[in-house]
Amino acid sequence: GENVEQHPSTLSVQEGDSAVIKCTYSDSASNYFPWYKQELGKRPQLIIDIRSNVGEKKDQRIAVTLNKTAKHFSLHITETQPEDSAVYFCAATRLAGGTSYGKLTFGQGTILTVHP
Amino acid sequence: DSGVTQTPKHLITATGQRVTLRCSPRSGDLSVYWYQQSLDQGLQFLIHYYNGEERAKGNILERFSAQQFPDLHSELNLSSLELGDSALYFCASSVGGLAANEQFFGPGTRLTVL
Repeated sequence: GENVEQHPSTLSVQEGDSAVIKCTYSDSASNYFPWYKQELGKRPQLIIDIRSNVGEKKDQRIAVTLNKTAKHFSLHITETQPEDSAVYFCAATRLAGGTSYGKLTFGQGTILTVHP
Repeated sequence: DSGVTQTPKHLITATGQRVTLRCSPRSGDLSVYWYQQSLDQGLQFLIHYYNGEERAKGNILERFSAQQFPDLHSELNLSSLELGDSALYFCASSVGGLAANEQFFGPGTRLTVL
């Protein structure tokens, strides 16, 4: 089955700095990679996603890059703000095909702290 | 608010007991996924239902079972509870179909087994 590794487990930055979180996946059939933000005690919320036919996607201060050959993808947050502090999870799944489609395999999470 | 509802918010019970967690997907979503979140295991997929049919199982214990009803709400049944079953249980819904889509998570049910 799919295995997703996420690094770092904790990340501390100053307000205004950039933050980068990296994930690697094992199943070359995975082709959908969402990122979720989870605040303490709350539900995971999708912040950005990328499909394997695209190498990069950007939404305001957030961007995700995907390297299919190396099987890794990264989340980039620019101009960080204290309200970006949360746990971030990457995930991977197949868009279609087989019994595993739609099933999200999550990374271990990154605790991001943005200091004012 | 994602549009996915889960009840109850909190559940405290004893070892050996049985509980039922309920999830109502967003209007129009046919797929429901159940996930377990614990400190040591992280976010783990349990089971997926699409339009009433079981589609995929993850590392779900035999003591756990689920179903999706004709009105598309889903229930996760946990029996013979153990201390280690204490966790946050999330359901998520998506439009479903042949391709995976964005999954919207409910607020979760926090289960505490004493």
